Amino acid sequence: AQSVTQLGSHVSVSEGALVLLRCNYSSSVPPYLFWYVQYPNQGLQLLLKYTSAATLVKGINGFEAEFKKSETSFHLTKPSAHMSDAAEYFCAVSEDTGRRALTFGSGTRLQVQP
Amino acid sequence: DAGVTQSPTHLIKTRGQQVTLRCSPISGHKSVSWYQQVLGQGPQFIFQYYEKEERGRGNFPDRFSARQFPNYSSELNVNALLLGDSALYLCASSLGGSTGNTIYFGEGSWLTVV
Repeated sequence: AQSVTQLGSHVSVSEGALVLLRCNYSSSVPPYLFWYVQYPNQGLQLLLKYTSAATLVKGINGFEAEFKKSETSFHLTKPSAHMSDAAEYFCAVSEDTGRRALTFGSGTRLQVQP
Repeated sequence: DAGVTQSPTHLIKTRGQQVTLRCSPISGHKSVSWYQQVLGQGPQFIFQYYEKEERGRGNFPDRFSARQFPNYSSELNVNALLLGDSALYLCASSLGGSTGNTIYFGEGSWLTVV
């Protein structure tokens, strides 16, 4: 069974500082991995996805994530935080099985201080 | 191009009632999935439909049902509503049924059960 653990339900950074949101996954087969962002009272927007093409994945809004198989991790980073990055971030995993479902982590709320 | 559209955006129901939520996928997308997001948690997979056939089902009771129409739109029905069914219901669409396809989410339908 697949699962996702997001370490830190709340992360606070200063504007201009590095953003690091942690995600560890468990999967019995090579996974597909995703990061989504959710702004207040909105749906989910895809930031980036890993589908085994390259271990370093670049997404929208300056975010990127690195797939590390040995650590079963897919941490999300951004070199310089912006006030507009304040939102809830979800890591998700999917296995290429018949179920074809995303399993989400519990989310990390990013706060950006001026 | 229009994204995934859901209706209604907000609704209030009484315990024991039934509710129908509607979703129109992105034009050309043949796969629709439904997720339940309880406040403060990550989305939980309910159903996936592809080409009008159910391809996956999450761990939800039989009170939850769904269907996909010839135009690929979908409905989620929940019978005998419980207070615990109060949540944001997200519809998502993708081009095909493959796990690697990018999944796009709608803004969601907020259901409050009183």
